This record gives sequence, C-alpha cells and structure tokens, in this order.
Amino acid sequence: KQEVTQIPAALSVPEGENLVLNCSFTDSAIYNLQWFRQDPGKGLTSLLLIQSSQREQTSGRLNASLDKSSGRSTLYIAASQPGDSATYLCATAAGYSTLTFGKGTMLLVSP
Amino acid sequence: KAGVTQTPRYLIKTRGQQVTLSCSPISGHRSVSWYQQTPGQGLQFLFEYFSETQRNKGNFPGRFSGRQFSNSRSEMNVSTLELGDSALYLCASGPGGTDTQYFGPGTRLTVL
Repeated sequence: KQEVTQIPAALSVPEGENLVLNCSFTDSAIYNLQWFRQDPGKGLTSLLLIQSSQREQTSGRLNASLDKSSGRSTLYIAASQPGDSATYLCATAAGYSTLTFGKGTMLLVSP
Repeated sequence: KAGVTQTPRYLIKTRGQQVTLSCSPISGHRSVSWYQQTPGQGLQFLFEYFSETQRNKGNFPGRFSGRQFSNSRSEMNVSTLELGDSALYLCASGPGGTDTQYFGPGTRLTVL
C-alpha cells in the first residue's frame, strides 16, 4: 500500500525566501506525481504534474522534481510571497485516476 | 471552460440520516473521483467512475456509494450517517488517463 509523507508539516518563512517542500513515497510504481495547493476551507488547485518518465516540471516560480528510484519529490518555490501561504499537498497516481495524498505542508509567508 | 462544480457547498445532517452530494465535471472529462478530507486522516480516496462504471473503490464501508450519469455528472450517497462522516468531500475530474486531476470546491458535511 502506497504511503506518502510530507516534511515539514509546517513552515514559516519571511517574504522573498526560496524554499523547498519535500515529499516521499514508498512504492515507486507510480504513473505520475502531482503537487496541489489548498487554501483554508477550499478545494485543491493543481500546481504541477510530473509524469513518471519525467525528472522535473516548472511553472513560473515553482519547480518540482521527481526521483522515482529513491521515492522522492521536491517542490521548490522561488522568491516566496505572502500569497503563497497555503497548504501544499503532493499525491501519487498508481492507476486510473486514483491519487494517494500526503498530509501536506502548511506554509506561512510573512511580509 | 467552467471548472468542477459541487452542490451543495454546505450540509448539516443528524446521525442516522442519509445524504446525496453532486459533482459536475469539467466539460469533456469522463472520469470523476471522490475524496474525503478530515483533519485526522487527511485526503482519502472513496471511488472513481469512468463512463458510468466504477473503476476503483477505496477502503470505506458500504454506506458510501456513488454513481455516474451518461453526462458524466456524479453523485455520492452516504446512508446512516455517523458523527465521523463529518468532513469536506471533494470531487475531481479528469480525462480518464494519467492526466491532471481538477478538483471542485468541496461539500462541507457536518453530522450532529
């Protein structure tokens, strides 16, 4: 059974700092890994999807990497802003459209 | 393109009642998945439908059921509600393969 772990559980940084969020998973037989953002009480917003054959994806200030063999992914956020404050979730897909989620990293960026 | 919509957004029920939640996927998407989110367990997969067929089911009791209609809209039903069913229920839609999943805003269910 796939287990997804995210470290740290919470992170507080000053505005402008570059930061890295970590995600690890136990079963490397995945089709893809997806990073989401969730604002309090809201649904999930997809940030980046990395297919199993890819090593990284970039969107604006966000860069996500995937190392299937070691069961790790990282989400790099450059020049953080207060609007980046949210919970960040990673999820692996092992078949069809079924996602296994980590518990998330709650990020607070202070002005 | 309109996003994933879920109705109702908020529900308050009492123990023993049943509830039906609705999800309308993004136009053209044939896959709809349902997830339960609680503070203790996080996000857990309930089931996934593709072209009106349930393709996968999570580890939830039979009180949780769902269906998908020919227009890809989906409903999930929870019978004999328990206090522990209080959660945010999220649905996601996608084309059906290993593509990006798009989530709706969720339905907040409170069981008293």
